[in-house]
Formats: sequence, C-alpha cells, structure tokens
Amino acid sequence: QKEVEQNSGPLSVPEGAIASLNCTYSDRGSQSFFWYRQYSGKSPELIMSIYSNGDKEDGRFTAQLNKASQYVSLLIRDSQPSDSATYLCAVNRDDKIIFGKGTRLHILP
Amino acid sequence: DGGITQSPKYLFRKEGQNVTLSCEQNLNHDAMYWYRQDPGQGLRLIYYSQIVNDFQKGDIAEGYSVSREKKESFPLTVTSAQKNPTAFYLCASSIEGGPYNSPLHFGNGTRLTVT
Repeated sequence: QKEVEQNSGPLSVPEGAIASLNCTYSDRGSQSFFWYRQYSGKSPELIMSIYSNGDKEDGRFTAQLNKASQYVSLLIRDSQPSDSATYLCAVNRDDKIIFGKGTRLHILP
Repeated sequence: DGGITQSPKYLFRKEGQNVTLSCEQNLNHDAMYWYRQDPGQGLRLIYYSQIVNDFQKGDIAEGYSVSREKKESFPLTVTSAQKNPTAFYLCASSIEGGPYNSPLHFGNGTRLTVT
C-alpha cells in the first residue's frame, strides 16, 4: 500500500460546481495533513493545513479529515478556471512530510 | 520580503559531473528539505535537516549529499553516482518539524538536465 494515495485524474468539473479531491494515507500515527496546489512548471503552494478530525474552511476551500478512516479530502466550491492545477496531498510520517502523486483538476469553462 | 531562494532556475550538466544546487531562506525556519519531482509524479524526499549541523536521509538519498552549516542555507550536491539526475528539484523550509509539522514553504525550484 502506498503511503499517500490520490487518484491521478484528470478530474473534470464544470465552472461554478464543487470539485472534490480525495486522499488516503497508510500511517495511523500521522498528525499533520496538507493540501498544496501546483501549476504546471511551478512550485507547490499551500492551500490548507489540517490537524484535527472534522472540517476546516478557508474561503472557497474546505478540508475534511477522518483519522479513523485515514482519509483527507479537499472541496473547492464555485470552481474557477484558475483552479485548474494539480493538487498534492501531503501527510507527515514521523518528522518528515510525504506527498502523494497529485490529482490533476480541470475546470471546464 | 521573506522567502526561499533557489538558484539557478535552470541547470545543465554533462553526465559524470557533480553539481550543487543552492537553497537559501530568510524566514528564520529551523527545518529545511530537498525534494525531487519527476514528470507526472509527486514529490520524493531526498534529505532534510531539523537543525544546523544535522541532517537525515529521506527516501531517495542515494547519489545525493547535503550540508547544513548555517541555518539559512541547505545546498544539495547531485553526484555522478545518481543514476537519473534529470528532474525538478524543490527546496522547502518549515518553522519546525516534529509530529505536528508546520507547513512547508517552497522555493521556485531548479530544473536540472544532465546529458
């Protein structure tokens, strides 16, 4: 089992709809969870960090964490063309941060 | 403005040569990291350092070396022993590591091509 798993996509979502991105992780001891957005050829930029079970909202973005199910998700409301990018899920393993391979999101105008 | 500076942006080398990638941060962060990204792939951890004069191997350290002589600097050397060095290299820093890691802040990356 991979440490951090994401569907590679592409995930196509109409403009204005909700995009739902999912991530599962294997280490039950993980405590820190992050979502990064990466545009082609650029470095990743942090969207959300979450450390406790439940939902965390920031503008159009909501991160959801369920440690019992080892599952973390990112919802993007009112999707915009500028949201088209690769979304990387990252999880700590001890004192390191490990990344999934990312999900490519394509917002359809 | 505080940030992480990686240089150069593009780097070309011949096979068999060692090359050093620069990473400097003025965020006063304790922890620094090097990741490698191949096309269509996620980030893989090469080395990381929590404090000055100490660093640990990540998942793909073979063929790489690092030093952490100053808090602000964490250079990465890609040696001739690295079999597939062509990749996008990303340096990152965080306030501190540990089980409740603070988020990573990334530099703009160095794209290394070895022929």
